[in-house]
Amino acid sequence: KAGVTQTPRYLIKTRGQQVTLSCSPISGHRSVSWYQQTPGQGLQFLFEYFSETQRNKGNFPGRFSGRQFSNSRSEMNVSTLELGDSALYLCASSFSGSSGETQYFGPGTRLLVL
Amino acid sequence: AQSVTQLDSQVPVFEEAPVELRCNYSSSVSVYLFWYVQYPNQGLQLLLKYLSGSTLVKSINGFEAEFNKSQTSFHLRKPSVHISDTAEYFCAVSDTGSARQLTFGSGTQLTVLP
Repeated sequence: KAGVTQTPRYLIKTRGQQVTLSCSPISGHRSVSWYQQTPGQGLQFLFEYFSETQRNKGNFPGRFSGRQFSNSRSEMNVSTLELGDSALYLCASSFSGSSGETQYFGPGTRLLVL
Repeated sequence: AQSVTQLDSQVPVFEEAPVELRCNYSSSVSVYLFWYVQYPNQGLQLLLKYLSGSTLVKSINGFEAEFNKSQTSFHLRKPSVHISDTAEYFCAVSDTGSARQLTFGSGTQLTVLP
């Protein structure tokens, strides 16, 4: 079974631009979560989607948004990029997203904002 | 809300020596506990998890962790490390209720020296 895939792997943007990151979960998995990883703040939860609905959201500004499609693929969008948005963005999938269920992580998209 | 503290940011150890990576958590509700490992330029991989039952859980590659409720700890141990164990290790918790997000510690960089 193929793992979680994320595209693109690397991205360079400038302040004020917007960016869209894509995540394809493991086949059969319907829950997709997004995390931001930075050296200063560590790993922080962004949001979780299940069956095209956002079920849970972390403490991030409204510039961060996401969506999930009927095939469970998910995208996250960051508008009006700031320098502090430079990070590794990780996507994780699981079958149903139940607490305790193993989340399988993709390799991440590394975003650099100049 | 939960929080996770990993007491050591860096742990250097010689090959074939034992190692312990410490993790303490704080939560007002029951939690599930996880250890994830991240190799350079990769996403996170689940190492082991505690959901219920025996407080000692083991991974297939020789790591083990023990849940200690009274001390709110979930320390990771390995009796003999290999060069290939060099990686960053993250302790994480999620509550046992409806919240599906993982709360991560700041990570411990394990470096195995020849």
